[in-house]
Amino acid sequence: NAGVTQTPKFRVLKTGQSMTLLCAQDMNHEYMYWYRQDPGMGLRLIHYSVGEGTTAKGEVPDGYNVSRLKKQNFLLGLESAAPSQTSVYFCASSRLAGQETQYFGPGTRLLVL
Amino acid sequence: AQKITQTQPGMFVQEKEAVTLDCTYDTSDPSYGLFWYKQPSSGEMIFLIYQGSYDQQNATEGRYSLNFQKARKSANLVISASQLGDSAMYFCAMREGGRGGGNKLTFGTGTQLKVEL
Repeated sequence: NAGVTQTPKFRVLKTGQSMTLLCAQDMNHEYMYWYRQDPGMGLRLIHYSVGEGTTAKGEVPDGYNVSRLKKQNFLLGLESAAPSQTSVYFCASSRLAGQETQYFGPGTRLLVL
Repeated sequence: AQKITQTQPGMFVQEKEAVTLDCTYDTSDPSYGLFWYKQPSSGEMIFLIYQGSYDQQNATEGRYSLNFQKARKSANLVISASQLGDSAMYFCAMREGGRGGGNKLTFGTGTQLKVEL
């Protein structure tokens, strides 16, 4: 049981390049999330999804797009990367709301030059 | 206003001692949940403990307990008998709203705990 996996683990981009981060979960969870973690700022929610085919904006959505075409996958896209998007990106998933915790992936470290 | 405030950027504790990590929150929603996560230097986020706003008793999980003071809007994490492996960053987080809220979490800025011999 792999839980939540993220691909890639590390990536270097040049300003203006695009890329897609892949998150996959094998726990049949309805909800999935993308966060970014920056020094001194904790984790901030970028986008989330409450089910297959649905997405919604979080706290810091600008510059990112997401898609949830399959229940087990949640993709985060950067169309034109900027240095301000240098961060560690975490994906998470959970069952329906309640006391259920979110299960986090190992993170993707992105450096935009 | 910050929804989750962790005022201790760094804490030191001696091995085998207890330590309290502070967390205060701000919400007008009567239904909410409070979580604590541990992030070791390897980077993964590890769930530690949960407290619901309607829970009558403080949550406990092994050496972790949550000192929930609803009127003060505080949810401090207490780690008893600290171990070297407890050295990590600790995050407090809050989920607001009931089942329709998407279970979104708002995180504090974290407290870096260092356990010393």
